[in-house]
Amino acid sequence: EAQVTQNPRYLITVTGKKLTVTCSQNMNHEYMSWYRQDPGLGLRQIYYSMNVEVTDKGDVPEGYKVSRKEKRNFPLILESPSPNQTSLYFCASSLSVLGPEQFFGPGTRLTVL
Amino acid sequence: RKEVEQDPGPFNVPEGATVAFNCTYSNSASQSFFWYRQDCRKEPKLLMSVYSSGNEDGRFTAQLNRASQYISLLIRDSKLSDSATYLCVVNIHKFYFGSGTKLNVKP
Repeated sequence: EAQVTQNPRYLITVTGKKLTVTCSQNMNHEYMSWYRQDPGLGLRQIYYSMNVEVTDKGDVPEGYKVSRKEKRNFPLILESPSPNQTSLYFCASSLSVLGPEQFFGPGTRLTVL
Repeated sequence: RKEVEQDPGPFNVPEGATVAFNCTYSNSASQSFFWYRQDCRKEPKLLMSVYSSGNEDGRFTAQLNRASQYISLLIRDSKLSDSATYLCVVNIHKFYFGSGTKLNVKP
């Protein structure tokens, strides 16, 4: 089954404790992206990757890191999480940056205390 | 100015009603257009792509007006299961999402 998977689905952590949210797709997509979604603000792009070893900042990259060592995986790293990073995070992938459409993972609900 | 703007709603309609959403985009170079549906706390899922000639999928019709830079979604004969948030998405070398329009279909 074609899908994007994310782990963990739910996470409660404390300020400053490094964490990684994994994302994997099995569709051989070149383009992958991380978004956060907050009430009233919609989906905002954090980082994206056009292909292996090619990553770039989105609209809200501060406090986040990513890597793309393999085509299928695109982990999101929070080196020192803070409460303002409490949010719902989605990973997405598409064949290319032009689409034709993005497939989303199920989301990770992160709470930073 | 936001790339994509939508009325947040909510639109509260009775079952069986016809409801229409509009979405405006700011960049005339936009290349592709989509409507996504998002249920509460779930991931967005593609509802339909929007083509220049307009397209229909069952009760759903999407249209694109390049001259006025807006896209629309029409839902006929609304069902309770149509209750969700509808996201307008525009692609100009990356995906830009609107904040979504919330639809509540009441019995």
